[in-house]
Amino acid sequence: GENVEQHPSTLSVQEGDSAVIKCTYSDSASNYFPWYKQELGKRPQLIIDIRSNVGEKKDQRIAVTLNKTAKHFSLHITETQPEDSAVYFCAASIEAAGNKLTFGGGTRVLVKP
Amino acid sequence: GAGVSQSPSNKVTEKGKDVELRCDPISGHTALYWYRQSLGQGLEFLIYFQGNSAPDKSGLPSDRFSAERTGGSVSTLTIQRTQQEDSAVYLCASSLVGAEYEQYFGPGTRLTVT
Repeated sequence: GENVEQHPSTLSVQEGDSAVIKCTYSDSASNYFPWYKQELGKRPQLIIDIRSNVGEKKDQRIAVTLNKTAKHFSLHITETQPEDSAVYFCAASIEAAGNKLTFGGGTRVLVKP
Repeated sequence: GAGVSQSPSNKVTEKGKDVELRCDPISGHTALYWYRQSLGQGLEFLIYFQGNSAPDKSGLPSDRFSAERTGGSVSTLTIQRTQQEDSAVYLCASSLVGAEYEQYFGPGTRLTVT
């Protein structure tokens, strides 16, 4: 089955700097890659996703890139703000197979003011 | 509109007892998923329901775990003879099928087995 590895497990950045989180996946059939943000004690919330027919997607300060050949994808957060502090999870799934998400282990991001 | 809801929010049970966890998906969402999040860990897929199709149970960790979805809406996850390693947050998610793939998560049920 699918295996998703996520790095780093913790990331501390100064406010205004950029944060980058990287994930690799094992199943070449995976074609949907969402990123979830989970604040302490809250439910995971989708912040951005990308499908395998595109290489990059941006939404304001957040961008995701996908390299299908290397089977890795990354989340980029620019101009970080204290409210970006949270745990971020990457995931992968095969849309035609029910879209069951396989998650990475998570990255705890701390943005220091 | 209302999001995904789960009950109870917290459940403490003794080892060996059975527990039932409930999920109310977003109205109209035909896909429903259960995940488990152990302390400090990522989320682990458990089971998936889609319409009237047979559920995908490939993520259930043992035969002590079962789930059902009645009338294509509410779902219950049952854990029999609970063990301490079952302690985790159990999250339910629902989604539309087709153009909309986003899974919306519920607040979770924190299960503690003593």
